[in-house]
Amino acid sequence: DGGITQSPKYLFRKEGQNVTLSCEQNLNHDAMYWYRQDPGQGLRLIYYSQIVNDFQKGDIAEGYSVSREKKESFPLTVTSAQKNPTAFYLCASSKGLGSQYFGPGTRLLVL
Amino acid sequence: RKEVEQDPGPFNVPEGATVAFNCTYSNSASQSFFWYRQDCRKEPKLLMSVYSSGNEDGRFTAQLNRASQYISLLIRDSKLSDSATYLCAVNNPGSYIPTFGRGTSLIVHP
Repeated sequence: DGGITQSPKYLFRKEGQNVTLSCEQNLNHDAMYWYRQDPGQGLRLIYYSQIVNDFQKGDIAEGYSVSREKKESFPLTVTSAQKNPTAFYLCASSKGLGSQYFGPGTRLLVL
Repeated sequence: RKEVEQDPGPFNVPEGATVAFNCTYSNSASQSFFWYRQDCRKEPKLLMSVYSSGNEDGRFTAQLNRASQYISLLIRDSKLSDSATYLCAVNNPGSYIPTFGRGTSLIVHP
């Protein structure tokens, strides 16, 4: 079955630690995205990528980094510079101007 | 004015009721419109794309009103399982990056 997978489902971060969230898709989509969702809030765009080896900052990129070395993979690193990382992180992909397909999400909690 | 706005609700309706949500957008040149459903603590899932001529899928009907710059979602014969948050998304011209509304919460009770 085609789809998007994210891991882990839950992630705990200690003070000053960098953590990496995985996102993999086998839909053959060119574009991939990372969103952050806080309780009762909408989706906020962190980073997006149209093609391999290219990505752009979204609305709230500070404290985050990404890479796009393969079409299928778009990992997100939450760095120690992100002072309020507790949130629900959603990865998505799309083909052109079509709708987005979302992964199941990763909940990041700070210890 | 926010780019995409939705009434957060919650809309609290009995089973069998008909309920409608609107989503207003600010860019008159917007081209693509979508409705997503998000269950509690889950990812959004595409419910329907919204076409200029309107479209229907079972109990769900989506419409686009370009003159007043809003899209709507009508749910007939509401089921308990329709309880969720409904997000609208709008793509601006030349951009494949959608702008999402904050969502409208629907609670269907027995």
